[in-house]
Amino acid sequence: SQTIHQWPATLVQPVGSPLSLECTVEGTSNPNLYWYRQAAGRGLQLLFYSVGIGQISSEVPQNLSASRPQDRQFILSSKKLLLSDSGFYLCAWTSGTGGDEKLFFGSGTQLSVL
Amino acid sequence: AQTVTQSQPEMSVQEAETVTLSCTYDTSESDYYLFWYKQPPSRQMILVIRQEAYKQQNATENRFSVNFQKAAKSFSLKISDSQLGDAAMYFCACGENYGGSQGNLIFGKGTKLSVKP
Repeated sequence: SQTIHQWPATLVQPVGSPLSLECTVEGTSNPNLYWYRQAAGRGLQLLFYSVGIGQISSEVPQNLSASRPQDRQFILSSKKLLLSDSGFYLCAWTSGTGGDEKLFFGSGTQLSVL
Repeated sequence: AQTVTQSQPEMSVQEAETVTLSCTYDTSESDYYLFWYKQPPSRQMILVIRQEAYKQQNATENRFSVNFQKAAKSFSLKISDSQLGDAAMYFCACGENYGGSQGNLIFGKGTKLSVKP
């Protein structure tokens, strides 16, 4: 069965520090991968998605970037964190084969920028 | 652009009773999907139910069912025989079905459901 791993679960970082959040999917090949952010008391907002290695689409302009160095690995990064980058970050995947598509989420990372 | 609106910030239901959560959406696409996700205090996003827009039949998953009114762009979730474990935030979401974008969902702001014993 497919599983998605996301770490760390909690992260506290000072303003101006770098960021690297990692997500990996097991049990599937060539998934579509997604990074969502949930601000406090809000719904989810799509930040990036990837349909293949090295292919990144950005949905909103921001201080963050994403990379997909391997088929089942998706990384969210920042060179210098801002206070506004605080939030709950969720990685997700779909099979990408069309048809009965369902979006499955990782357990999330709570990022606090102080 | 797609929008999803959940007009009920909070709802409450007695254990074993039935509750309906409302959702309206707007999209210019003809091929799209609608979802309900549950987010318990653990904050894990759990897929509750999924509906293809081209299907007239309402989706059901055990105690969860939807009332999909395509013309009205309404997609409500009915929870029957409510259980304490149903207490959570519920998010309605809409996604278009093309290319690699099946996971590009627009989410509502959520409805917090409380279940009273």
